[in-house]
Amino acid sequence: AQTVTQSQPEMSVQEAETVTLSCTYDTSESDYYLFWYKQPPSRQMILVIRQEAYKQQNATENRFSVNFQKAAKSFSLKISDSQLGDAAMYFCASTAWLSQGGSEKLVFGKGTKLTVNP
Amino acid sequence: DTEVTQTPKHLVMGMTNKKSLKCEQHMGHRAMYWYKQKAKKPPELMFVYSYEKLSINESVPSRFSPECPNSSLLNLHLHALQPEDSALYLCASSQEILSSYNSPLHFGNGTRLTVT
Repeated sequence: AQTVTQSQPEMSVQEAETVTLSCTYDTSESDYYLFWYKQPPSRQMILVIRQEAYKQQNATENRFSVNFQKAAKSFSLKISDSQLGDAAMYFCASTAWLSQGGSEKLVFGKGTKLTVNP
Repeated sequence: DTEVTQTPKHLVMGMTNKKSLKCEQHMGHRAMYWYKQKAKKPPELMFVYSYEKLSINESVPSRFSPECPNSSLLNLHLHALQPEDSALYLCASSQEILSSYNSPLHFGNGTRLTVT
């Protein structure tokens, strides 16, 4: 079974500083996608960044970037110039193919709660 | 503002009640999803609809009954629930069911359900 592991239940960072959230995954698939979602207290899950596994170049979205190490099955998220609005639960996710429906689903890690201190 | 709207925001129901959760999107997405999220846990997939047809049921108990009346609406009918069913129920949509990279999930704010 596909698994996604986030080893840091909680992290904190000072405003304007940089923080890195860790994620490792286990998959036997050759083609898959990786995502980071954030869930603020508003409860909505918001897509932060996504990475195609066959692309070696790390994805970047403004202050958010990933360090994708395919051989190590590692997919960490770096948040630069942290802002108070970045405080949220962050979930790492990987696609997993389902035999039912010939489709795929997202497998989520347990999440990392990020606190941003002013 | 979320593009996926869920109602109600909060719901308290007894174990003998029948209630429904509603989800609406007007982005023209053809795939819609129900997820269940327990406190301090990640979301877990329950159902997937593609083009208004049930495509995936992740072995969900029959006391949860999904319905997709049209491409914009998704309901989750609840009957004879147990206290352990108390959770945040998230609705999501995507342009297509396949290739989640090019068709990422858009989530609603969820319905916080408490079963007494």
